[in-house]
Amino acid sequence: GAGVSQSPSNKVTEKGKDVELRCDPISGHTALYWYRQSLGQGLEFLIYFQGNSAPDKSGLPSDRFSAERTGGSVSTLTIQRTQQEDSAVYLCASSLRARSNTGELFFGEGSRLTVL
Amino acid sequence: GQQLNQSPQSMFIQEGEDVSMNCTSSSIFNTWLWYKQDPGEGPVLLIALYKAGELTSNGRLTAQFGITRKDSFLNISASIPSDVGIYFCAGQNYGGSQGNLIFGKGTKLSVKP
Repeated sequence: GAGVSQSPSNKVTEKGKDVELRCDPISGHTALYWYRQSLGQGLEFLIYFQGNSAPDKSGLPSDRFSAERTGGSVSTLTIQRTQQEDSAVYLCASSLRARSNTGELFFGEGSRLTVL
Repeated sequence: GQQLNQSPQSMFIQEGEDVSMNCTSSSIFNTWLWYKQDPGEGPVLLIALYKAGELTSNGRLTAQFGITRKDSFLNISASIPSDVGIYFCAGQNYGGSQGNLIFGKGTKLSVKP
């Protein structure tokens, strides 16, 4: 497709289980971001990938969270031993890394995670 | 670190009213952006501002990049029901943290009961 694709769109899991969330960015976009949005709240930065540079992991809330980006394209966000406070919408965004439009992020529709 | 203060947090609109919201920061930014998020969707870019003092319109939307580079406002004229949603400002500073992009906490627009 032409836009950022995320899967699953909805995920319900039990406390303590691991989950993987996937993001397919727009083809050719070198920058990829993950954000977390709790109910009615703002966008909490998690991690940022830019080309082959080391990712900016400064927003990951704990060591239970990790993300990778293979081949500069698809990214997977993994949450281990999920807790109820992990329940949120996880948004992925990508950007074409040109100076004139580096802030023009294109967001996916998000993956809604519910931890029971 | 850098932070953006976005206000108001929420507001109610009546069809036809003009709406104004703003973002301020103690740090300067090179770019200001405004996004809108509809329920169940990801945010979508409305307006991007690249120069201090720049005033840009997109239909009924008008946004300005403050001359000090520390603030921006967004105005919506003659609001309509589909304007409801959450509006986010974002500031970009090349070489900064969080992928160079800092988001405000959002302004939620709802329809007056």
